[in-house]
Amino acid sequence: EVQLVESGGGLVQPGGSLRLSCAASGFTFSNYGMCWVRQTPGKGLEWVSYISSSSSAIYYADSVKGRFTISRDNAKNSLYLQMNSLRDEDTAVYYCARGFTVNDYWGQGTLVTVSS
Amino acid sequence: DIVMTQTPLSSPVTLGQPASISCRSSQSLVHSDGNTYLSWLQQRPGQPPRLLIYKISNRFSGVPDRFSGSGAGTDFTLKISRVEAEDVGVYYCMQGTQFPRTFGQGTNVEIK
Repeated sequence: EVQLVESGGGLVQPGGSLRLSCAASGFTFSNYGMCWVRQTPGKGLEWVSYISSSSSAIYYADSVKGRFTISRDNAKNSLYLQMNSLRDEDTAVYYCARGFTVNDYWGQGTLVTVSS
Repeated sequence: DIVMTQTPLSSPVTLGQPASISCRSSQSLVHSDGNTYLSWLQQRPGQPPRLLIYKISNRFSGVPDRFSGSGAGTDFTLKISRVEAEDVGVYYCMQGTQFPRTFGQGTNVEIK
């Protein structure tokens, strides 16, 4: 069974940093591109970033470019999102999802709250 | 960026009756590989999104056959043939053809 479990969310002050993790199981992690998608409270979905299976291709939304860094460790079946210079508007539930053109499995999400 | 526009934003439906959601993209979703990467996601209350339909009309594993997708180019439709109580939630279209990936605003399906 494919499972994606996010962790690392929490309360952080504006300007602070946080590192999210996504632990994958039930499939060969190193064969799949992965992405992060966020959802602001009561609102819709916003794609954040994508990383290819070998980390050779990486893309970011303009809203996070230069502040967030996506990475992965295929030996640990894990995906990461390093978030720096956090802003109020980054407050959201962050989901990791499997896939490149189609995101077929999603985690349960981890809540990031940016507030002073 | 490709803008995805869904209509309606809210859809009150009687149990057992059909429901239909439209999604229009600001540019063609036909990829250079010939595929059209238009997906439909369902988000039940308090749950993460779940893939229902991919590449316009392909039902994902475990998705009931009352869900169907159609369309081409820039106009797409998700249909539920007979709405059941478990179908309550928000439905999103999403394009996977071009970066950044983009989503529709969501359509709230509720029971009348």
